[in-house]
Amino acid sequence: DTAVSQTPKYLVTQMGNDKSIKCEQNLGHDTMYWYKQDSKKFLKIMFSYNNKELIINETVPNRFSPKSPDKAHLNLHINSLELGDSAVYFCASSQDRGYWFFGPGTRLTVL
Amino acid sequence: QKEVEQDPGPLSVPEGAIVSLNCTYSNSAFQYFMWYRQYSRKGPELLMYTYSSGNKEDGRFTAQVDKSSKYISLFIRDSQPSDSATYLCAMSAAGNKLTFGGGTRVLVKP
Repeated sequence: DTAVSQTPKYLVTQMGNDKSIKCEQNLGHDTMYWYKQDSKKFLKIMFSYNNKELIINETVPNRFSPKSPDKAHLNLHINSLELGDSAVYFCASSQDRGYWFFGPGTRLTVL
Repeated sequence: QKEVEQDPGPLSVPEGAIVSLNCTYSNSAFQYFMWYRQYSRKGPELLMYTYSSGNKEDGRFTAQVDKSSKYISLFIRDSQPSDSATYLCAMSAAGNKLTFGGGTRVLVKP
């Protein structure tokens, strides 16, 4: 019974394309996040949503647009993909300063 | 300088040895401290969670937090080859953002 799930698991695309990654959590948490893990394995927060409201936007290019249709879902849309966007993107959720749970990741490769 | 510093390793130990990992941080507002384990091509998995200073033990894992020194540790007793992974420390101030160290790669040799 997966707590935080993401689709797709792998995404290979050409520069300039637009793509989306979807995330769902079944933990009943109010807060969801997108993190980016670069080639050196460093995890950095991109966005945070609390109850469908954006609360953190960490100087991410505006080509990245998160959308939260409800508190169980947080999607990430990326326009005009660039080579430097290649990374692993993780969705996470948390509740009331509690534990953060991470999804399995989406490995994005931009050619 | 990063807010959270962690030696990247790799740290290689024989099976059965104690693995000792640590992180230092600069933000004195951090009060929630976590250790995650990440296997290759998988998501981070929460191992230990500590609020403020002190020690916490869970099975073979012990987490220590020393806020006065801005230093946290994770000890793994009786290490197994299945413990081979990257270990990430993470911390939060107000509970709304998790800041990670760069991770330490651990290899437990049979």
